[in-house]
Amino acid sequence: AQKVTQAQTEISVVEKEDVTLDCVYETRDTTYYLFWYKQPPSGELVFLIRRNSFDEQNEISGRYSWNFQKSTSSFNFTITASQVVDSAVYFCALSEASYGQNFVFGPGTRLSVLP
Amino acid sequence: DGGITQSPKYLFRKEGQNVTLSCEQNLNHDAMYWYRQDPGQGLRLIYYSQIVNDFQKGDIAEGYSVSREKKESFPLTVTSAQKNPTAFYLCASSAGTSSYNEQFFGPGTRLTVL
Repeated sequence: AQKVTQAQTEISVVEKEDVTLDCVYETRDTTYYLFWYKQPPSGELVFLIRRNSFDEQNEISGRYSWNFQKSTSSFNFTITASQVVDSAVYFCALSEASYGQNFVFGPGTRLSVLP
Repeated sequence: DGGITQSPKYLFRKEGQNVTLSCEQNLNHDAMYWYRQDPGQGLRLIYYSQIVNDFQKGDIAEGYSVSREKKESFPLTVTSAQKNPTAFYLCASSAGTSSYNEQFFGPGTRLTVL
C-alpha cells in the first residue's frame, strides 16, 4: 500500500535558521514520483518540486534543497536561512505509475518562522 | 493569466441541503480533481476526471457527486448524504493523466454546515 508520513506536525524556528522537513514514503512500485507542495495561509497549494524514483540526485533551488534517499525511502526538504514568508503548511506527496495521476498526500508539516 | 478559480471562497449550508462548489480552469488541462482537507490531515481525493464526460470515484466519494460536461469545468455537489461535510475543498488540474504530471490547485472553498 502506498503511504506518506510526515512525522513533524508543527515546527517553529526563528528567522535565518535552517530547517528540515521530513518525508517518508511507502510504495511497492519501482516507478514513482515524489512531490512537495507549499500551502500558505491563503489556502492554495503551490507546487515546489517533483522527483522521479530513478533520480536520486539532490536538488537545490535558491534557499530550498531536497534530499532523496531510496535506501531510507525519504524525501526531505531543507530551507536554508528561513524567512517569515516561508511560514506555511508543507505537503509531501507520492504518485505511482501503476495508479496513474492519483496522489497520496502526507498529513503536512506546519512551519512557523518567527521574526 | 492561466489558472484555476473556485467559487465561492466561503460557503455556509444548513443540514439537509445540497450545495455545489464551482471549479473552472483555463489551463487547457485534461484532468481535474477534487480534494477534501480536514485539520491535521492531508488531502483526500473525492473524485477525479481524466476527460470530458468521464469521472471516477476517489477514496471518499460517498455523499458527493460531480459532472464534467466541459473540459474547463468540474463542479462538485455536496449532498445531504455527506454526514460531515464541513471542510476545506480544493480543486486541482493536471496537463496529463500520467503519474509524473504535477497538479495545480485552486484557492479552495471553505464549507461550513450550520
